[in-house]
Amino acid sequence: DGGITQSPKYLFRKEGQNVTLSCEQNLNHDAMYWYRQDPGQGLRLIYYSQIVNDFQKGDIAEGYSVSREKKESFPLTVTSAQKNPTAFYLCASSTHSGSMTGTQYFGPGTRLLVL
Amino acid sequence: DAKTTQPNSMESNEEEPVHLPCNHSTISGTDYIHWYRQLPSQGPEYVIHGLTSNVNNRMASLAIAEDRKSSTLILHRATLRDAAVYYCILRDVPVYQLIWGAGTKLIIKP
Repeated sequence: DGGITQSPKYLFRKEGQNVTLSCEQNLNHDAMYWYRQDPGQGLRLIYYSQIVNDFQKGDIAEGYSVSREKKESFPLTVTSAQKNPTAFYLCASSTHSGSMTGTQYFGPGTRLLVL
Repeated sequence: DAKTTQPNSMESNEEEPVHLPCNHSTISGTDYIHWYRQLPSQGPEYVIHGLTSNVNNRMASLAIAEDRKSSTLILHRATLRDAAVYYCILRDVPVYQLIWGAGTKLIIKP
């Protein structure tokens, strides 16, 4: 089945630790996205990538980093510089992000908690 | 960026139609209107989108006002599985983002 997988489902981070969230898609989509969602709020864009080896900052990129070495994969690293990382993290993909419809397909999410 | 306004929550009875409103008074001519929904502890899923004309698909219908300053998502016969947060979002081409608000929490009563 085609879709987006995220792992792990839950992740615990210690103070000062970097952690990496995995996102893989087999939809052959060009564009991929990372969002953060806090309780009771909408999604906020962290980073997005329109093509392999290229990515752009979203609204809240500080304290996060990404890479896009393969079309299928777009891992997100939450660095120690992100002082309030506790949130629900969602990965999405779409056909080229400039497409007229802009429909995004989402993974099941990773919930990050700070110990 | 054009913004949307939705009620925080709505209640409906099971097997009855549901009309979820969305105001977007500053919409531009190139903004598409998208609806997504998010079940508890899951990622959002696409519901429907439109530009000017009303749209129908297997999940829902989208009614767009003639002046495009408001729209309504219609679930024709709500079930308990439709309980979710529904987001009305504007997408401006060629900006490659969706601007998410807090959405409407739909509560379905059995």
